[in-house]
Amino acid sequence: NAGVMQNPRHLVRRRGQEARLRCSPMKGHSHVYWYRQLPEEGLKFMVYLQKENIIDESGMPKERFSAEFPKEGPSILRIQQVVRGDSAAYFCASSRGEQETQYFGPGTRLLVL
Amino acid sequence: KNEVEQSPQNLTAQEGEFITINCSYSVGISALHWLQQHPGGGIVSLFMLSSGKKKHGRLIATINIQEKHSSLHITASHPRDSAVYICAVGTGNQFYFGTGTSLTVIP
Repeated sequence: NAGVMQNPRHLVRRRGQEARLRCSPMKGHSHVYWYRQLPEEGLKFMVYLQKENIIDESGMPKERFSAEFPKEGPSILRIQQVVRGDSAAYFCASSRGEQETQYFGPGTRLLVL
Repeated sequence: KNEVEQSPQNLTAQEGEFITINCSYSVGISALHWLQQHPGGGIVSLFMLSSGKKKHGRLIATINIQEKHSSLHITASHPRDSAVYICAVGTGNQFYFGTGTSLTVIP
């Protein structure tokens, strides 16, 4: 049973480009969470999704950031027109149900030059 | 003010020592999680608690709902326990994270 998978593991973008981060939850998990860990800071909640629905996006920046979890395929966190301040580790976690144990992916480390 | 406060921020211990990491929170929660983040950055969920106490190997986690406090204990610590330990509380759909306790266990 594969764990939560994220790709790419490392992503380098120039300012103004788009970044697409993918998260494949564990088999049987329909709940996905995205978190951001800025350098020298703790984890921060970004968004909580279930299949085809955004449940809570209160942690997402209002502009440039979007997330989806389609019926088929991985969850995508999309950052448009990246800026240097977007450089961070982005972690995805999945769970079988609401308020159940979350399992974390290895993270995507985004570096914006 | 952070919703989740951890102490200590940094901890150095000799191999074999008993270790305690504390977590206090200020929000109503549905569950509290203890996470371990290794130097390479990967995150592992150690415990999810909503009451009482859980034990897994040398790790023990307790929670006092009335006092809004949880502790993570490591018995017979080992250098491979060196990592950052993060307390996270779930409230509704959201999670709030402590800033982590960096543990170094010296052989």
